[in-house]
Order: sequence, then structure tokens, then C-alpha cells
Amino acid sequence: DVKVTQSSRYLVKRTGEKVFLECVQDMDHENMFWYRQDPGLGLRLIYFSYDVKMKEKGDIPEGYSVSREKKERFSLILESASTNQTSMYLCASSLRDGSPLHFGNGTRLTVT
Amino acid sequence: GNSVTQMEGPVTLSEEAFLTINCTYTATGYPSLFWYVQYPGEGLQLLLKATKADDKGSNKGFEATYRKETTSFHLEKGSVQVSDSAVYFCALSDYNTNAGKSTFGDGTTLTVKP
Repeated sequence: DVKVTQSSRYLVKRTGEKVFLECVQDMDHENMFWYRQDPGLGLRLIYFSYDVKMKEKGDIPEGYSVSREKKERFSLILESASTNQTSMYLCASSLRDGSPLHFGNGTRLTVT
Repeated sequence: GNSVTQMEGPVTLSEEAFLTINCTYTATGYPSLFWYVQYPGEGLQLLLKATKADDKGSNKGFEATYRKETTSFHLEKGSVQVSDSAVYFCALSDYNTNAGKSTFGDGTTLTVKP
């Protein structure tokens, strides 16, 4: 089974801090994704990556950046955390375009 | 662009009741269709999928048929259990026209009571 591991289940950070969310997948998947999930807003795509060092903006990239230096690892960076970035963050990977997504268990980030 | 519309929730059923969660989609290409389930405190996991018209996906007693003529992919289960309580997401992925990105519905919360 594919395993997608997010480094933290819960994080509490202060406004203005730089925050790193890490995600690792163990099945050599080409594609990796970062979503945020908020009540009433569903899943919204922040950034995705089709290959090492490649990244594409999703629907809500403002205030975020990403890094993919190795195929198995995809990091989400909040350059200067704000309270409106309090959310559940979900990482996912897929073998190729059109394949099902495999999700991690999520990181619940609270920015105070 | 692509979109997915699924039945609004929440849905509350008694154990052993029949479940239908409606899902319709709009896509310009030939998408693959998916149902994902999210149990409390967890990420989403694939429940079933269908990749072309008239395909039926099935898993754990759940079924959904890819209906191109009605652009629908309704989720059904004949007899639900308390353990089926979760949030269900319908999704599509169309690599020809949307570079492989998935489009999700808003999710439907199902609660099954004993």
C-alpha cells in the first residue's frame, strides 16, 4: 500500500512565523499535491508538482510556496503565517495524471 | 471548466438502510471518476473509481456507475453500518484537459445510527 506521511498531526504557530509542512510518499509517485480543507469550503488546491523541482500553482497559492528537491518529498511553506491560514492541510500523491490520489492523514495548523 | 456537484448533507440513516449520494459532473474531456471517504481525524482514502462510461466501481459494498449520458456517478450501498459514518467526496480527474488535477465535490456527511 502507498503510504503518504505528513510530519505533524497538529501544529500551533504564531503570526509572522515561517512554517514548514513536510510530506513524504514511499511509492515513487510522479505527482504530489497540497490541499487545504476548511468547513463549508471543501478541498482547495494550493500547489502541485509533476516532477522534481517542478511546481504549479493551484487555486489558492497566495501566501504559500513549495519545494520538491527529491521525488518522494514535497514541502509546503508558509512564508509569514497569518491567522487566516489556520486550517487542515492535506498532502496527496498520484502515480500519474488521472490516477487516484493517495492522501496523508493531514496536519491541523493553528496560527495564533 | 470542470466541476462536481454532490448531494448536500448531512445525511442521517438508520443501520441497514439503503444509501444513495448523488453526484453529477461537468467536464469537457473524458474524465475518470472517483469516490473518496474521510473518516474522522483522517485524510481521504479512495473508496472506488471508474475510468470510462458504463464502468461500475465497487468496494466494501458500495457501488457507483459511470453514466455519461446523465453525467452522473451516484454512490449506493444496500445496507449501511454504523462504521460507514464518514464524509464522502465525489471527484473527477481529467488529464486531457486539466493536466491531471482532481476536482472535488463539497463532500456529504453521512451519520448512521444504530
